[in-house]
Amino acid sequence: SQQGEEDPQALSIQEGENATMNCSYKTSINNLQWYRQNSGRGLVHLILIRSNEREKHSGRLRVTLDTSKKSSSLLITASRAADTASYFCATDERGSSNTGKLIFGQGTTLQVKP
Amino acid sequence: DSGVTQTPKHLITATGQRVTLRCSPRSGDLSVYWYQQSLDQGLQFLIQYYNGEERAKGNILERFSAQQFPDLHSELNLSSLELGDSALYFCASSVDLLAGVLNEQFFGPGTRLTVL
Repeated sequence: SQQGEEDPQALSIQEGENATMNCSYKTSINNLQWYRQNSGRGLVHLILIRSNEREKHSGRLRVTLDTSKKSSSLLITASRAADTASYFCATDERGSSNTGKLIFGQGTTLQVKP
Repeated sequence: DSGVTQTPKHLITATGQRVTLRCSPRSGDLSVYWYQQSLDQGLQFLIQYYNGEERAKGNILERFSAQQFPDLHSELNLSSLELGDSALYFCASSVDLLAGVLNEQFFGPGTRLTVL
């Protein structure tokens, strides 16, 4: 079963606007990652945030993590048409030692209109 | 380009058949993961191998099996195929094994399987 649930399922914005996607998960984690997928292609890793971190930045990306609420958000600032893609959060499972198993959310489909 | 290669890119076959999907991880990566992505189930973890040994299993059907060879490439075997097995199958690799360590996974371009 899916660990992460993402919200919204779909998001459509104009170029230059900010896009915010949210992810909730169920079990305790060691880290949470965000991936991007262009239509029908492989996933690309965007950013990883550890359970002891609250916020992380990478270029136009800002990720927050609230372990008390078991939730994370991904903010893309000053969006571009090239940001159009699906975005997935993925978590490991604390306690599932010796594995790198990731559990993915259902994803948010982002459309950025020029 | 992630450095992970998968072959074939597309595969069309009939119900009841058996297919083999192949994955070559990034140079130096010891862990290989297989995922299935379908419209109804989303992205599901199937199985992980680390340095030739099975390390974790997800929702992998008994009709499916995988292995990792000494040169670290991996194969996913799907048998007695059903219409519902039509999906994108991704392979990913990472350097390390343990959850909690930097566990960024690098994904291949996927194999699109269509079962008719």
